[in-house]
Amino acid sequence: AQSVTQLGSHVSVSEGALVLLRCNYSSSVPPYLFWYVQYPNQGLQLLLKYTSAATLVKGINGFEAEFKKSETSFHLTKPSAHMSDAAEYFCAVSLTGGFKTIFGAGTRLFVKA
Amino acid sequence: KAGVTQTPRYLIKTRGQQVTLSCSPISGHRSVSWYQQTPGQGLQFLFEYFSETQRNKGNFPGRFSGRQFSNSRSEMNVSTLELGDSALYLCASSPGATSGTDTQYFGPGTRLTVL
Repeated sequence: AQSVTQLGSHVSVSEGALVLLRCNYSSSVPPYLFWYVQYPNQGLQLLLKYTSAATLVKGINGFEAEFKKSETSFHLTKPSAHMSDAAEYFCAVSLTGGFKTIFGAGTRLFVKA
Repeated sequence: KAGVTQTPRYLIKTRGQQVTLSCSPISGHRSVSWYQQTPGQGLQFLFEYFSETQRNKGNFPGRFSGRQFSNSRSEMNVSTLELGDSALYLCASSPGATSGTDTQYFGPGTRLTVL
């Protein structure tokens, strides 16, 4: 069965600093991997998606993630944090034919001025 | 294109009651998934429907049920409510025709409080 582990329930960075949110997955077959963002009192919004086409995936708002099969990781990065990036971020995995997406526990990102 | 809509946005019920939540997907989307979000458990998958058929379900008791109509709108029902059912219930839609790995588009959720 597939699973997702997000390391760190809370991450705090200064404005302008690098953002690194960690995600490791477990899957017996090649997975599809996602990062979603949730702002307060809203639903989730897709940041980016890995579908095996390219290991480095660029998303919206300057975020990107790299798929590393050897490390079973899909970490999310952004070179320079902005105050508006403060939100909760979810890593997720799904499998072809599974009709089900498994989400990690989420990482809340705080951005300090 | 209008996004995913969920009604009602907020709901307060008492233990033992039942509740029905509604989700209208993006026009043209045929897959609807439901999730329960709580601070302690995070996002947990409830079930997924495509063309009125349930294709997968999560590990929830039978008190949680759902259905999908021919226009792809979906409802979920929770009977005999318990305090632990208090949560944000999120609905997500996707085109969903084939592999089940489509990007999901989420509604704003229904906040259910059980007293």
